[in-house]
Parts: sequence; structure tokens; C-alpha cells
Amino acid sequence: SQQGEEDPQALSIQEGENATMNCSYKTSINNLQWYRQNSGRGLVHLILIRSNEREKHSGRLRVTLDTSKKSSSLLITASRAADTASYFCATDEIGNYGQNFVFGPGTRLSVLP
Amino acid sequence: DGGITQSPKYLFRKEGQNVTLSCEQNLNHDAMYWYRQDPGQGLRLIYYSQIVNDFQKGDIAEGYSVSREKKESFPLTVTSAQKNPTAFYLCASSSGKGHRAGTIVSPSSGANVLTFGAGSRLTVL
Repeated sequence: SQQGEEDPQALSIQEGENATMNCSYKTSINNLQWYRQNSGRGLVHLILIRSNEREKHSGRLRVTLDTSKKSSSLLITASRAADTASYFCATDEIGNYGQNFVFGPGTRLSVLP
Repeated sequence: DGGITQSPKYLFRKEGQNVTLSCEQNLNHDAMYWYRQDPGQGLRLIYYSQIVNDFQKGDIAEGYSVSREKKESFPLTVTSAQKNPTAFYLCASSSGKGHRAGTIVSPSSGANVLTFGAGSRLTVL
């Protein structure tokens, strides 16, 4: 089942601008994570925010979580060309046999020099 | 360096053939996962395993099979029953520990983060 849904699907900005991506989900979660994927590569974990947290920072990344609206946002400040990648949110899903991560379709970010 | 190794990076399959994708990790992680990614789309879960000798179907398990005989290894076989196998396949692991009591595998606790391999691209000729 596709739980996380990122918005927008694609985003193009100039270097130095801020990039904001949103994620919506349908069920209750324990935590939400953001991952980055460079073209043709595996995903890399960026940041995790727990359901009892509202905001978290890591370097140029800022993540917010609104459990009442079932949504999260990822803000990348002062973007660089090297930030060009696809960004995915992932929510945990506790099943009978342990954690199962569910990914959204991603936001493709292009940062133009 | 600890990590996940997927092989081969590129694989071509003729229709009707079974192929096996390898996934090995030296992170001492209990949980391992296989995801499928189609162009411009997100990841869909094929199978996951929380503990050795146990695995569960994900959202799109039909036409695939796995085994988990060793903690370090979680190979995926794409069988001839999979009608549209051309895709990018990603293996991942996490430190989540499943606990077995008899036939019951209990869920892990805590927040776990996925570590991914570099992926295997399968093309059907």
C-alpha cells in the first residue's frame, strides 16, 4: 500500500534558494523518515522524526511533522547543485512480523547553478 | 567498511528464465528488505525478513521468492511467473531485531533506519 505521498512531484530551483517538499500519509505512524536518491543509486537516510516531535534540524535540513494533518515537510536551505536528487518520505508500519517501511513516489529536485 | 553489497549491478534476462539477485550485508543487521522501483516512481516492498529463517510477503510478492538461511544474506529470485520484471531492485537492511518465540516472531521496538545497497537493474530481453 502506498502511504507516503510527496508533493510536488518535481521541483526546479536556482542555487541558493530554499527547497520545500511535502509528504502526506494515511495511517498513524511511530516515525517518519526522509531519504535521498541520486540517479541510478541506492537511497541514503537523511533524517528521522518521531511522532511526538514537531520539528527537527540537521545541517541545512529542517523537517516538520504535523500528526493531526498526517503530513510532513522537508526544507533544504541554501540549496546547492549537489542537492539535485529525488527525495522520499517513508513511514513505519508495524505489522505482525516487525517494522515495514512504506515509501512515497518521491520529489525530483533539480538545483540549477 | 560496513555496508550492503548487491550483485550484479546490471542483469539481462530472457523471457521464461529465473534469475537471482544477491544481497549481502556485514552490518550485523537482523532485518532485510527487497524493494522494486520503476522509472519515476517510488519503492514498492517485495519481501522482508526480520530474522533468519523467517520472511514475509510485501505488497508485490507475486512472481518473486526469497530465502534467509544466513543473517548476512537475503537473495531474491525473480521467477518466470513475474510478468513485468524489468525494474531497479533495491536491497536494504535495518537494525530492527525480531524476536522469535516458537513460531511467533515479535516485532522489533524502537526507530530503525534503512541502509540501502546500490541496486541491481534487471532488463528482460
